[in-house]
Amino acid sequence: GDSVTQMEGPVTLSEEAFLTINCTYTATGYPSLFWYVQYPGEGLQLLLKATKADDKGSNKGFEATYRKETTSFHLEKGSVQVSDSAVYFCALILSYNTDKLIFGTGTRLQVFP
Amino acid sequence: DAGVIQSPRHEVTEMGQEVTLRCKPISGHNSLFWYRQTMMRGLELLIYFNNNVPIDDSGMPEDRFSAKMPNASFSTLKIQPSEPRDSAVYFCASTLRGNEQFFGPGTRLTVL
Repeated sequence: GDSVTQMEGPVTLSEEAFLTINCTYTATGYPSLFWYVQYPGEGLQLLLKATKADDKGSNKGFEATYRKETTSFHLEKGSVQVSDSAVYFCALILSYNTDKLIFGTGTRLQVFP
Repeated sequence: DAGVIQSPRHEVTEMGQEVTLRCKPISGHNSLFWYRQTMMRGLELLIYFNNNVPIDDSGMPEDRFSAKMPNASFSTLKIQPSEPRDSAVYFCASTLRGNEQFFGPGTRLTVL
């Protein structure tokens, strides 16, 4: 079935370090791909998205490229801040006739000064 | 727009009591989702509605859980009777056809 696999957390980094959170997917058809972020005590919010192969989504210094050949959508940021500490969820939506998001398990990022 | 509104924000109840969680989606959105989040099980989709009709309720844990959407601006998730293992944060989210899902702030439920 359709699924999303994320790297286990927590990911612990020092401020200004480079971040990569891996995400791979399995899907029939051509999904749209998303990264959502959940800050402590809040609901999830969309961070970025990509709707077709080779698209790059970007927001707040984060970016991810839709790689169809490797079925991946890895999240990257060149220099993390303490305020980026949160849980990051990779997700997909199948492009036909559904609004249902399929989420990964989430990866907790902790950034220390 | 005020975003997705959920009430109450916190609920503490005793085992066996009925619990009702409420959600007001963003005006104009036509799909609504109820999720549950716990440390053990992560984020789980319980049920989703499209145009007020339940489309997928395969995530509803058991008959103690029920959800309704009587109109486009209101939905409820009811647990009767509640059990300690139902303790979690319950999120409501809404979307307009295939676009970004907007999440509410969640209801933190504690069942003693």
